[in-house]
Amino acid sequence: DAKTTQPPSMDCAEGRAANLPCNHSTISGNEYVYWYRQIHSQGPQYIIHGLKNNETNEMASLIITEDRKSSTLILPHATLRDTAVYYCIVRFQTGGTSYGKLTFGQGTILTVHP
Amino acid sequence: DTAVSQTPKYLVTQMGNDKSIKCEQNLGHDTMYWYKQDSKKFLKIMFSYNNKELIINETVPNRFSPKSPDKAHLNLHINSLELGDSAVYFCASRPQGADEQFFGPGTRLTVL
Repeated sequence: DAKTTQPPSMDCAEGRAANLPCNHSTISGNEYVYWYRQIHSQGPQYIIHGLKNNETNEMASLIITEDRKSSTLILPHATLRDTAVYYCIVRFQTGGTSYGKLTFGQGTILTVHP
Repeated sequence: DTAVSQTPKYLVTQMGNDKSIKCEQNLGHDTMYWYKQDSKKFLKIMFSYNNKELIINETVPNRFSPKSPDKAHLNLHINSLELGDSAVYFCASRPQGADEQFFGPGTRLTVL
């Protein structure tokens, strides 16, 4: 699985958009970008994933650059409850011998303040 | 309606003891996982079962033995507990053909 690089921490004001970057310069053509987050003392929570097209769901948007070497997770209107560690994970889609194994890095600690 | 549940939530025990952590999911998923989160907050996969069959077995001491009595349950038994086993253990499950994993609330194990 390709390695990812994320800033260790970021701040965001409540109600503003939070833009979390992730570098994955060694990503291969069939690897997807996944985002999970972990709110303090809870289990990780799936947010979104994508291959090359931008994706949006009720939680967030995922913007992947054309060369796929980096991506940005966007929380459009951050709330205090979005304070968490955000993990960017790159791996092959589940299937074959992948079996869905997730390899977590250090992630980005996002702090949303009033 | 808890989707993925773990018991106990907290477990404090002495070195050398044997303990078990239980995980149950009521989502009808086929695949379940155990992850370990150490004091530095790194999350690492330990095991995975698909329909009661072991499919992922990372480099984990053989003191750790997962058991899946049915596809809704994946338990983790740990023999001869050591100080380094202190961590938060998370169970997760995933439906067939999908990528999203659903995590349980975690079990905080403290070995004294």
